[in-house]
Amino acid sequence: DAGVIQSPRHEVTEMGQEVTLRCKPISGHNSLFWYRQTMMRGLELLIYFNNNVPIDDSGMPEDRFSAKMPNASFSTLKIQPSEPRDSAVYFCASSGDDINYGYTFGSGTRLTVV
Amino acid sequence: SQQGEEDPQALSIQEGENATMNCSYKTSINNLQWYRQNSGRGLVHLILIRSNEREKHSGRLRVTLDTSKKSSSLLITASRAADTASYFCATDKGNYQLIWGAGTKLIIKP
Repeated sequence: DAGVIQSPRHEVTEMGQEVTLRCKPISGHNSLFWYRQTMMRGLELLIYFNNNVPIDDSGMPEDRFSAKMPNASFSTLKIQPSEPRDSAVYFCASSGDDINYGYTFGSGTRLTVV
Repeated sequence: SQQGEEDPQALSIQEGENATMNCSYKTSINNLQWYRQNSGRGLVHLILIRSNEREKHSGRLRVTLDTSKKSSSLLITASRAADTASYFCATDKGNYQLIWGAGTKLIIKP
């Protein structure tokens, strides 16, 4: 398996633009997580899906953020409109039923909003 | 939200020495996990220790867990330059949602 695949790896956009981040979890994993990482706030859980259903979106900062998981192999995180304070590294992670393996993280998307 | 607190925040040692990092947490847990993050990369799962376990080994890694003190330690023996990374502990209350610490930045000097 190629692991969790995120795209793009880097995104630079202007304030006010829409940004869409993409994630392909590991096949067979039934849980998917979107995280944001910054120096100031560390790792923050944004949203958690189980079997494609959003279970906990309490970490989504505000209505500008939305996430979808239309099927077991694809998820998107959208920011509209983007703001400079959204600049961060966004990680997608997935996990299966065997907790011994923990979470598998993607390589992240480094988002810069100017 | 962050439940775990790693200590120290940063650690610099000579190659070949042992590195010890500590993690404290606040609520009861089902298991505790350690992850490594190399600069610019995603986190990589290292080891999981369950609440009924006290010690676990994996290669050069040794993890201990003291549930009475709500603390864990990660020992890396015979450190190598490739061990340079940030190390995070994460606690799981059994609902698959990990709570993360702020991380320890480990630098191995050649």
